[in-house]
Amino acid sequence: AQSVTQLDSQVPVFEEAPVELRCNYSSSVSVYLFWYVQYPNQGLQLLLKYLSGSTLVKGINGFEAEFNKSQTSFHLRKPSVHISDTAEYFCAVSGWAAGNKLTFGGGTRVLVKP
Amino acid sequence: EAGVTQFPSHSVIEKGQTVTLRCDPISGHDNLYWYRRVMGKEIKFLLHFVKESKQDESGMPNNRFLAERTGGTYSTLKVQPAELEDSGVYFCASSQDLGIGFEGYTFGSGTRLTVV
Repeated sequence: AQSVTQLDSQVPVFEEAPVELRCNYSSSVSVYLFWYVQYPNQGLQLLLKYLSGSTLVKGINGFEAEFNKSQTSFHLRKPSVHISDTAEYFCAVSGWAAGNKLTFGGGTRVLVKP
Repeated sequence: EAGVTQFPSHSVIEKGQTVTLRCDPISGHDNLYWYRRVMGKEIKFLLHFVKESKQDESGMPNNRFLAERTGGTYSTLKVQPAELEDSGVYFCASSQDLGIGFEGYTFGSGTRLTVV
């Protein structure tokens, strides 16, 4: 079975400061990893994904994440946040073991302060 | 390429009534998934279609929920009768098969269901 743990439920951060959102997963086999963002009153938007290849993945809006197989982590980072990055962020995992379906973490609310 | 489309975007119904949500996946995506987020909790898997067949419906909460995907195109999720605890946001997603060619999951904007 797959599971995803997002270690921080809320992360307050000042504008132009860096942010890191932590994500750990558990799966016994190869996985695909995703970060989604949900802005207020909107749907889920894909930020970035790891399917294979380079472990450093770059996504939209200046976000990046690094797949670390030994630590079963997929932390999301942005070097300098904007007010518009205020949203909820979800880490998710899928793979053959779970028959295609995505398993989500509990989400991390990011509040960017001026 | 059109994305995943969900109808309606919002629905407010009274307890005991019936509501039907619709999802149109990306053309050519055999895999269609329904998820739900209730009261700010985790996004939970409901079920997975491969074409018109239910591959996995382990997340369906009870028999008040009925999902169909006739012809393997769009899908509907019916809640009958609706209860207060069914309120939440229902997301639909579609994808290709895992493996070569797999590019991930595309989500619709969701249907916000409020049962009063």
